[in-house]
Amino acid sequence: AQSVAQPEDQVNVAEGNPLTVKCTYSVSGNPYLFWYVQYPNRGLQFLLKYITGDNLVKGSYGFEAEFNKSQTSFHLKKPSALVSDSALYFCAVRAPYNQGGKLIFGQGTELSVKP
Amino acid sequence: EAQVTQNPRYLITVTGKKLTVTCSQNMNHEYMSWYRQDPGLGLRQIYYSMNVEVTDKGDVPEGYKVSRKEKRNFPLILESPSPNQTSLYFCASSTQGYEAFFGQGTRLTVV
Repeated sequence: AQSVAQPEDQVNVAEGNPLTVKCTYSVSGNPYLFWYVQYPNRGLQFLLKYITGDNLVKGSYGFEAEFNKSQTSFHLKKPSALVSDSALYFCAVRAPYNQGGKLIFGQGTELSVKP
Repeated sequence: EAQVTQNPRYLITVTGKKLTVTCSQNMNHEYMSWYRQDPGLGLRQIYYSMNVEVTDKGDVPEGYKVSRKEKRNFPLILESPSPNQTSLYFCASSTQGYEAFFGQGTRLTVV
């Protein structure tokens, strides 16, 4: 069965420092991986995805993620954090379409960036 | 503008009073789904639909119904809401294999 784990409930970073939000996954077959961000009282916004190709994926707002097949990880990164990056971040994997195609989410990581 | 629209955004209701949360998308997506978000549990899928007149249960379907009579609409129906259905609900749409677009969410409180 597919699953996603985000081992940190909260990540605290100082503005200007690099940030990493961790995600590991368990899937059968090739993974379709996604990162979403949720701001207070808002829906989920798509940040980036990995389907195939380069292991380093670039997305919105300066975020990037590194796909590591051997470690089954898909960590979200940003070289220089902004206070406005403070939000709830979700990693997700998509189940195969012939198994319903649902998005399976991690529990979420609260990112707090302090000035 | 490509979007998924849910209504209402906020709803307080009483136990047992039937309600419907509407969802509409303007991207011609085949795949639509409903999720509920609860603290510490992330998002869990309630129902999904791969196309018109094709729906199936997700991980937490008990107490919910859906219908897909048109491609753009996918309402969520609670026939007899109970307090354990108090949650934040999201509708999403996508094409196969690609990222999902989410609505703004509906915060439901059942008292």
